[in-house]
Amino acid sequence: QQQVKQSPQSLIVQKGGISIINCAYENTAFDYFPWYQQFPGKGPALLIAIRPDVSEKKEGRFTISFNKSAKQFSLHIMDSQPGDSATYFCAASWRGYQKVTFGIGTKLQVIP
Amino acid sequence: DAGVIQSPRHEVTEMGQEVTLRCKPISGHNSLFWYRQTMMRGLELLIYFNNNVPIDDSGMPEDRFSAKMPNASFSTLKIQPSEPRDSAVYFCASRADHSSGKQNEQFFGPGTRLTVL
Repeated sequence: QQQVKQSPQSLIVQKGGISIINCAYENTAFDYFPWYQQFPGKGPALLIAIRPDVSEKKEGRFTISFNKSAKQFSLHIMDSQPGDSATYFCAASWRGYQKVTFGIGTKLQVIP
Repeated sequence: DAGVIQSPRHEVTEMGQEVTLRCKPISGHNSLFWYRQTMMRGLELLIYFNNNVPIDDSGMPEDRFSAKMPNASFSTLKIQPSEPRDSAVYFCASRADHSSGKQNEQFFGPGTRLTVL
């Protein structure tokens, strides 16, 4: 059972545009929602994370929007740059449980 | 710190052979995770350890897969016998206790790309 559904699986954005990746979850016990970024040939690395007590978190050009009632959250990359080209994974977990459930991943390509 | 270390980085083997993947977690981290990444299924958790004890191995696909963590600084994932469908990138990740302040942040190694011919 896929507990975190992520879309789209691939995304092409022009430099300077906004990249948007969406995720939906099923388990209402989840209370921590990280996003990981993976460059080719590397392991995933934590990019930004949010807890459900806030609706938005911003770090530089990266913003997570969270809708608890809809059980959805999304990553927005403002002013997308070619260096942002990577695979992005949304994920979810709950306090006290170490297992993190990952989405399928979105391969983002930012073209000049 | 050097981060999570995995070896080998690439492994090419023939069907039926035994494969052993190795991982050294970040010093002081007490949880260790083994993942498999494929295009079709994304990142799948195979097994995780806490304080060297296997906690959840429900993701291990078959009895051909086994994992051990004999001490806090070393873990292995073994496939015996290997099959072509085992071809994937295998990641090891480690995590500190909740007291670190960043709940559930996992630090991934560079991965081992396994090809079974």
